[in-house]
Amino acid sequence: GAVVSQHPSRVICKSGTSVKIECRSLDFQATTMFWYRQFPKQSLMLMATSNEGSKATYEQGVEKDKFLINHASLTLSTLTVTSAHPEDSSFYICSAPAWGPNTEAFFGQGTRLTVV
Amino acid sequence: ELKVEQNPLFLSMQEGKNYTIYCNYSTTSDRLYWYRQDPGKSLESLFVLLSNGAVKQEGRLMASLDTKARLSTLHITAAVHDLSATYFCAVASNSGYALNFGKGTSLLVTP
Repeated sequence: GAVVSQHPSRVICKSGTSVKIECRSLDFQATTMFWYRQFPKQSLMLMATSNEGSKATYEQGVEKDKFLINHASLTLSTLTVTSAHPEDSSFYICSAPAWGPNTEAFFGQGTRLTVV
Repeated sequence: ELKVEQNPLFLSMQEGKNYTIYCNYSTTSDRLYWYRQDPGKSLESLFVLLSNGAVKQEGRLMASLDTKARLSTLHITAAVHDLSATYFCAVASNSGYALNFGKGTSLLVTP
């Protein structure tokens, strides 16, 4: 099946710094990708929709200036957490849909962000 | 707003037993997904259900979809310890591929 690769898998950063997370579709093109956040023992919550060649659309309550999304190519979306704070510590997961008979939604491996 | 309710949220069951996880959703959708998540890991796709009456089986897991009732079930047959994980159902909005997730069912299979 299609593969979505996310990097890094784990990152620890200091408060106030920025962290970039990459999401790549390896064997298919994705004009749209999704970014989710998962706090410990909770479900996944959609943060934003990344659109190739245009601005991302953010869910209510998600600060677009804090969570910068860039979808510069058909295979790469990046999420930058700016001026990170400890409350931003979470598991961030990207997803890309793959068109086909099963209309799958493939997920990256996730990034565990810890802000200290 | 599309809401997805999953129950139970916690399930402890003995090996060899059967059980069903339920997933209700609030508005019309044409795609329902079941995922498995192990601790510290991302999501593993289990099933994609696309039409009313769809039934899919893989090993000890079987998923079904009733779009009229807005209900999907994940049935576990003769549970084994390796099935211990958190299971999520997710429903796609008709406008795209963004998914709305249930809260997840934390399954523990004990000897």
